[in-house]
Formats: sequence, structure tokens, C-alpha cells
Amino acid sequence: GENVEQHPSTLSVQEGDSAVIKCTYSDSASNYFPWYKQELGKGPQLIIDIRSNVGEKKDQRIAVTLNKTAKHFSLHITETQPEDSAVYFCAASYNTDKLIFGTGTRLQVFP
Amino acid sequence: EAQVTQNPRYLITVTGKKLTVTCSQNMNHEYMSWYRQDPGLGLRQIYYSMNVEVTDKGDVPEGYKVSRKEKRNFPLILESPSPNQTSLYFCASKITEGMNTEAFFGQGTRLTVV
Repeated sequence: GENVEQHPSTLSVQEGDSAVIKCTYSDSASNYFPWYKQELGKGPQLIIDIRSNVGEKKDQRIAVTLNKTAKHFSLHITETQPEDSAVYFCAASYNTDKLIFGTGTRLQVFP
Repeated sequence: EAQVTQNPRYLITVTGKKLTVTCSQNMNHEYMSWYRQDPGLGLRQIYYSMNVEVTDKGDVPEGYKVSRKEKRNFPLILESPSPNQTSLYFCASKITEGMNTEAFFGQGTRLTVV
């Protein structure tokens, strides 16, 4: 079955710097890769997703890249702000409703 | 407001005392699922339901039960809770039409079994 690895587990950056979180997946058939943000005391919320027919997707300060050959995808946050501090989860799935999640990255943005 | 509502938010119980965590969604979603979140392990699926009266095991179903008698509700039942079920639980729902759609999560239930 699918397995998703996520690194790093914690990430601290200065406000204004960029942050990058990386995930690798095992099942080459996976074709959907969402990223969820979990703020303290709340449930995860979708922030961006990418499908296997594209290599990159951007939404303002966040972007996701996908390398199907290497089976990895990354979340890029530019110009980080304190409100970006949260736990981020990557996930993968293949034409199903079941998401396999990574282990999460705790991002801290210091003012 | 579209949302997934879980209750209770916090629960402390003793080993062996049956409990139910409720989950309700107001988006008419077919698919609902339960996850547990543990440090270093991420979110792991416990059970899921594709529609009313249809439920299936996820990756960590042992010690849990679910039911889906109505489309909006998907309660999680722990018949005889044990300390290893101490965790943060999330209910989620999504539409199934078109696949690869956004999952909406509840705010979580922090369960402690002593």
C-alpha cells in the first residue's frame, strides 16, 4: 500500500524567509497530492493540492511542486508570516477517497 | 456555515467504560471517515463510510466501531476503551463525485483513557 514520508518534522524560520517541506510517496499510481494546515486546537484544512498531470501549482505565497519520476512533492511558502505557524500535513491518494497522510511538520515562524 | 461538528471536544474516561464520539456534517457529503492523530505518526484512518449503511475498516480499526444510519452522522464507538486509545480524533467528510476532492475536518476530540 501507499506510504508517505514527510520531512522535516520541525522547521523554524524567521519571518519573511521561505519554508520548504518535502514528502515522498511509494505508490507510483498515486495521482492526487493535497496539503493540509492544522492550526492549534483546530482540524486540518486544505491549503493547496496538485494532481499528477501538472508539475507545479501556485496560490499567492504558497506553491507545490511534484516530481513524478522521483515520487516526491514539496510545499513552498514564501515571505513567511507568524500566522503561517502551524502543523502541515502532506497526503497522497489514487482515484479513491482514502488519503494517506505524512507524519506532519511543525512550522514555527519567528517575528 | 458548512462544517463538521464533533462532540465532545475533550473527554477523560476510565478503561473499559464504553463511550461514543459523535460526528455530524451539514454538507450532504457521502463520504465520512475517522482518523486518529498521534505524535510522530500523523493522521491514520480508523474507519470510513462511502454512504449510508456502508462502512469499512481503515488502517487502525481495532477497538473501534462505527455506524452510518443517516447521511449526516457518523459516530465513533469505543466499546471498551484502553489507554492505548488515548489520542486526538478527527472526523472528516467529503463528496465522492469526481474523486480527489477536499476533505473537511472537524475540530477534533482529545480522548484520554486512564
